[in-house]
Amino acid sequence: TQLLEQSPQFLSIQEGENLTVYCNSSSVFSSLQWYRQEPGEGPVLLVTVVTGGEVKKLKRLTFQFGDARKDSSLHITAAQPGDTGLYLCAGGGATNKLIFGTGTLLAVQP
Amino acid sequence: DAGVIQSPRHEVTEMGQEVTLRCKPISGHDYLFWYRQTMMRGLELLIYFNNNVPIDDSGMPEDRFSAKMPNASFSTLKIQPSEPRDSAVYFCASSKNKGQGSSGNQPQHFGDGTRLSIL
Repeated sequence: TQLLEQSPQFLSIQEGENLTVYCNSSSVFSSLQWYRQEPGEGPVLLVTVVTGGEVKKLKRLTFQFGDARKDSSLHITAAQPGDTGLYLCAGGGATNKLIFGTGTLLAVQP
Repeated sequence: DAGVIQSPRHEVTEMGQEVTLRCKPISGHDYLFWYRQTMMRGLELLIYFNNNVPIDDSGMPEDRFSAKMPNASFSTLKIQPSEPRDSAVYFCASSKNKGQGSSGNQPQHFGDGTRLSIL
């Protein structure tokens, strides 16, 4: 069974701080996606990474796919209250099915 | 464009009752997914369809759960009889086909979910 473990599970920080969320697996994925979910809504895609070692930036968010395509990280610079939410990584393979990670709940205090 | 539409948004019912959750995927999407989200177990895939045909139902917890997709624009997830441990938020998502030779999965577009409480 493919599992994606995220750490930390919960993170509460002050506005302006930096943070990193990790997504780890013992399985290889052909691609890795990151989603953000806000209360009362479904997850929304932030980014897809497909190449080992790939780095993508989305404003203050930096996503990296591990060289072996088993892990990924999300770094947020100068966090803002609008970044608050549940961050989910999701691994993809040959099919259209995704395996979602355990989630990281981020709270950014003003 | 309309996103994935789920109904009802909230459902509260007594154990033993039949519950039917509904989903309208985004037009043109070939894949439809049903997920369940709880604090303890996170976001779990229950079943998914390709072109209205169930492909993988290995995540369906028990025979009390069933899902259908009678046409490309409608799907239902039914629980009969319902139990308190079925209480969760149920999400429907749809996506386009990954395509030959494409790298990376297509984005999954989620509805806003149905919050189900079984008393």
